Amino acid sequence: DGGITQSPKYLFRKEGQNVTLSCEQNLNHDAMYWYRQDPGQGLRLIYYSQIVNDFQKGDIAEGYSVSREKKESFPLTVTSAQKNPTAFYLCASSLGWVGNQPQHFGDGTRLSIL
Amino acid sequence: GQQVMQIPQYQHVQEGEDFTTYCNSSTTLSNIQWYKQRPGGHPVFLIQLVKSGEVKKQKRLTFQFGEAKKNSSLHITATQTTDVGTYFCAGLAGGTSYGKLTFGQGTILTVHP
Repeated sequence: DGGITQSPKYLFRKEGQNVTLSCEQNLNHDAMYWYRQDPGQGLRLIYYSQIVNDFQKGDIAEGYSVSREKKESFPLTVTSAQKNPTAFYLCASSLGWVGNQPQHFGDGTRLSIL
Repeated sequence: GQQVMQIPQYQHVQEGEDFTTYCNSSTTLSNIQWYKQRPGGHPVFLIQLVKSGEVKKQKRLTFQFGEAKKNSSLHITATQTTDVGTYFCAGLAGGTSYGKLTFGQGTILTVHP
């Protein structure tokens, strides 16, 4: 089955620690996205990538970093500079960087602070 | 920047009652998409509206795009317990086919049997 796989499902971060969230897709989609979801705030865009080896900051990129070395993979690193990282993180992909393409989401990673 | 507001934030209904959520953009939209997120799940694409005044139906769900392409609504007739979840609208800024979607805050629907 084609889809998006996020891992781990739950993640705990210690103070001063960087953690990396994995996102893999086998849909052959060019565009990939990372969103942060907090209660009552909907989905906020952290980073997006239109194509392999390219990525752009979204609305709340501070304290996060990404890479897109392979078409299938778009890992997100939550750095120690992100002071409020507790949230539900969703990875998504779409066929192309065109706004009329539906986005397909993974099951998410829930990050908490120890 | 573009803002997409969604109301109400919460809606509690008895099974069989109707439900409507509204989405309003600060700017004209090229298109609008609707997603549903079940409790504990991830958003799933429902539909896309592109044309001014467009109306689309999916069984008990009716989606509308305003004439000015700045607002949209989702109406569910005779809700069922399977309709429980959060409904998001997401808009693409007008005048472009390329770009990122802006999501509304979502409406959380609970249905009492």
